[in-house]
Amino acid sequence: KAGVTQTPRYLIKTRGQQVTLSCSPISGHRSVSWYQQTPGQGLQFLFEYFSETQRNKGNFPGRFSGRQFSNSRSEMNVSTLELGDSALYLCASSIQGAGTDTQYFGPGTRLTVL
Amino acid sequence: AQKITQTQPGMFVQEKEAVTLDCTYDTSDPSYGLFWYKQPSSGEMIFLIYQGSYDQQNATEGRYSLNFQKARKSANLVISASQLGDSAMYFCAMRVAGGFKTIFGAGTRLFVKA
Repeated sequence: KAGVTQTPRYLIKTRGQQVTLSCSPISGHRSVSWYQQTPGQGLQFLFEYFSETQRNKGNFPGRFSGRQFSNSRSEMNVSTLELGDSALYLCASSIQGAGTDTQYFGPGTRLTVL
Repeated sequence: AQKITQTQPGMFVQEKEAVTLDCTYDTSDPSYGLFWYKQPSSGEMIFLIYQGSYDQQNATEGRYSLNFQKARKSANLVISASQLGDSAMYFCAMRVAGGFKTIFGAGTRLFVKA
């Protein structure tokens, strides 16, 4: 079975621009979560989607948004990029997103904001 | 509020020896799952082992075992017979039932010496 895929793997943007990251979950997984990882803040939860519905959202400004499609693929968007948005963005999928479900992660998208 | 604490920023271990990575957690929810992930320098998060809050026995997966002490709220990872390829960041994580998000600790960087 193919793992979680994320595109693109690397991105370089300038301040004020916007960016869209894509995530394709493992086949059969309907829950997709997004995380931001930085050296200073560690791994922080962004949002979780299940059957095209956002079930939970982390403490991030409204510039961060996401969505999930009917095939469970997910995208996240960051508008008006700031230098502090430079990070590794990780996507994870699980079967239903339950507390006992194991999440499997993609390779991440490394975003650099100049 | 839920919290994961990993008190060891860095650990050294000799190749072929066993090592224990500490993790304590805090939650008032009776139903939760505890996870350990490995993150090599490439950035991808690799799932290692899972322990459910109602599991009576400690989880084991090959060279990995989880020392689960529920009363003390600890979930330490034990790696037996360390290998050079075990050098990486290790994250302890928790999901509670119905929470729809994973909380991560700050991580422990493990160095395996030849």
